[in-house]
Amino acid sequence: ETGVTQTPRHLVMGMTNKKSLKCEQHLGHNAMYWYKQSAKKPLELMFVYSLEERVENNSVPSRFSPECPNSSHLFLHLHTLQPEDSALYLCASQMWREGSYEQYFGPGTRLTVT
Amino acid sequence: GQNIDQPTEMTATEGAIVQINCTYQTSGFNGLFWYQQHAGEAPTFLSYNVLDGLEEKGRFSSFLSRSKGYSYLLLKELQMKDSASYLCAVRRSNYQLIWGAGTKLIIKP
Repeated sequence: ETGVTQTPRHLVMGMTNKKSLKCEQHLGHNAMYWYKQSAKKPLELMFVYSLEERVENNSVPSRFSPECPNSSHLFLHLHTLQPEDSALYLCASQMWREGSYEQYFGPGTRLTVT
Repeated sequence: GQNIDQPTEMTATEGAIVQINCTYQTSGFNGLFWYQQHAGEAPTFLSYNVLDGLEEKGRFSSFLSRSKGYSYLLLKELQMKDSASYLCAVRRSNYQLIWGAGTKLIIKP
């Protein structure tokens, strides 16, 4: 049973739609991540929040907008996406402290942009 | 630049041993992870190496040589459930991991 949940698990949206991905962690962690995983490509780090402050933003297009209202919840708001944005979007959490760097992943949202 | 190389796909036989290699060239190194990812599922943590040498954990072992920019994951007594992708990742900073594209391991009976 994963301590990180993501909804929805699958999403099909048109290029003009607006949708949001949700991530919730039940592990008491203090950092949360959004990754993009495309077929046969490395995971791409999109955003990192630590103690609800954004600490990393890897040149992600503005059509992706993250939100972290508290340490347990993370959202990714999507608008005006492109077909190349179709991918698996993974959320991860971490209890960041010296000596502990393992990230725990959710099952992902499979996004298809038509 | 940042570069992590792993073989795209490997095939092995049930009960055998397989070694999955990972080479890296990154600006900054603070440790190396191995994760397992079954198709359609979340990546799960296998190992973390900071110092040179071999770390053993049950059927799985991970080796690191920082001077050579090289790591491997060794899987013994392979089982069908070990069919998965294996991801290598270098920790550059507190929050940033640089990931390889993963090695798909196929286990045959």
